[in-house]
Amino acid sequence: NAGVTQTPKFRVLKTGQSMTLLCAQDMNHEYMYWYRQDPGMGLRLIHYSVGEGTTAKGEVPDGYNVSRLKKQNFLLGLESAAPSQTSVYFCASRRQVRSNQPQHFGDGTRLSIL
Amino acid sequence: KNQVEQSPQSLIILEGKNCTLQCNYTVSPFSNLRWYKQDTGRGPVSLTIMTFSENTKSNGRYTATLDADTKQSSLHITASQLSDSASYICVVSAGGDMRFGAGTRLTVKP
Repeated sequence: NAGVTQTPKFRVLKTGQSMTLLCAQDMNHEYMYWYRQDPGMGLRLIHYSVGEGTTAKGEVPDGYNVSRLKKQNFLLGLESAAPSQTSVYFCASRRQVRSNQPQHFGDGTRLSIL
Repeated sequence: KNQVEQSPQSLIILEGKNCTLQCNYTVSPFSNLRWYKQDTGRGPVSLTIMTFSENTKSNGRYTATLDADTKQSSLHITASQLSDSASYICVVSAGGDMRFGAGTRLTVKP
């Protein structure tokens, strides 16, 4: 029972490079989220999805794009990486938003932009 | 200003001792408050959830309290173990919106 799986676990990029972070969940959850976690700050929502084919902006969406072509996958893209995007990125999924069900998190992708 | 403030930022205790972590929030309208445990290098895992009508809830050695009037919650850890070393994150929900605290980093030493 894998839960939420994120790939890759680590990545180092040069400024201006692009990459895609993959999140996959096997719990048939409708809602999926991308967060970034920086030292001394709470998790901040980048983008989220309420179902296959839908995406929406969160608190800090600039510089990121997302896609949810399949229910189980949620992709986060950086088109032109900047040092300010150095962070740990977490994906989460949830069955419903208006319920007491918790979010299930992956173990994160540690991204460094040089 | 963060709508969810946690204190202390970090805490070191000896194995076997008790400790209490605090969470103050201004998020409104309140739906629920959840405590997560995040081990180093891992994603957060839910410990417990508090709804408006609940004052206290226990999960093993973890006991969460909620005072909705003062908008405060606490997480009490009894008889700490080395495995309790982690960050503890308070998350307050307002409808479908969630606000995360910055967490308290707990270190339990032998």
